[in-house]
Amino acid sequence: NAGVTQTPKFQVLKTGQSMTLQCAQDMNHEYMSWYRQDPGMGLRLIHYSVGAGITDQGEVPNGYNVSRSTTEDFPLRLLSAAPSQTSVYFCASSYSREAGAQETQYFGPGTRLLVL
Amino acid sequence: SQQGEEDPQALSIQEGENATMNCSYKTSINNLQWYRQNSGRGLVHLILIRSNEREKHSGRLRVTLDTSKKSSSLLITASRAADTASYFCATDEEAAGNKLTFGGGTRVLVKP
Repeated sequence: NAGVTQTPKFQVLKTGQSMTLQCAQDMNHEYMSWYRQDPGMGLRLIHYSVGAGITDQGEVPNGYNVSRSTTEDFPLRLLSAAPSQTSVYFCASSYSREAGAQETQYFGPGTRLLVL
Repeated sequence: SQQGEEDPQALSIQEGENATMNCSYKTSINNLQWYRQNSGRGLVHLILIRSNEREKHSGRLRVTLDTSKKSSSLLITASRAADTASYFCATDEEAAGNKLTFGGGTRVLVKP
C-alpha cells in the first residue's frame, strides 16, 4: 500500500491565486482530515470528513474548501491565497469508529506552500 | 486554543539517557495519542492510550495517563541519535466529536 499520498510536495503561489492540494489514501479509511502546521507549532485542523459525501469544519476552516466524492480522495482547495496561508499542509486518514473515538491517524508527507 | 500542551518545549540529552516529556489537557478525553515528527516529514503514530488505561509500553517507549490530573507523560529510555525529533500529544475530546487536537510539541535533540 502507498498509504497517504499528497501532491504537490512544494508550491509557490501569488496572493489571490487559487489551487488544489491533492490527498489520496489506499487503505479504505473512512475518516480523512487536513491540518496545517506553522513553524514551531502543532497541527491545527482545517476540515475533516467521516465518509464520502460528508465534510465538516475544523478549527481554522476560513479560506479553504473541501469535498469528498470518493473514499480515496480528499482535496483541499485554497480559494484566494493569502500570505497567512503560508504553511505546511498535512493530510491524514484513519479507520472510523463509533462517534467521538478517534483512532490512529496515518499522515501524508506534507505539502509546503509559500504565498507571496 | 490547543487542548494538549507539551512540556518542556525543547529537550537536549546525551545518547543513552532517558527523555521524558509531558502533556496536559483541559477536558475529558476518549484517548490520548503520541506522535513523532522528524524534520520535514509527516507525523508517525507512536502510542494510543485510552482513558481507562494508566500505562502502555511499546519497545523503548512508556506512556502514562493520569485522568485525574489531566496529564500524560512519554518516556523514551536509552535514547539514540535517531530519536531526535519533535513529539506531539493529541487528544480525542469526548465533547469534540471526530476531531483530534494536537499540542505544540516537544523538540528533542539526542546528542551522540
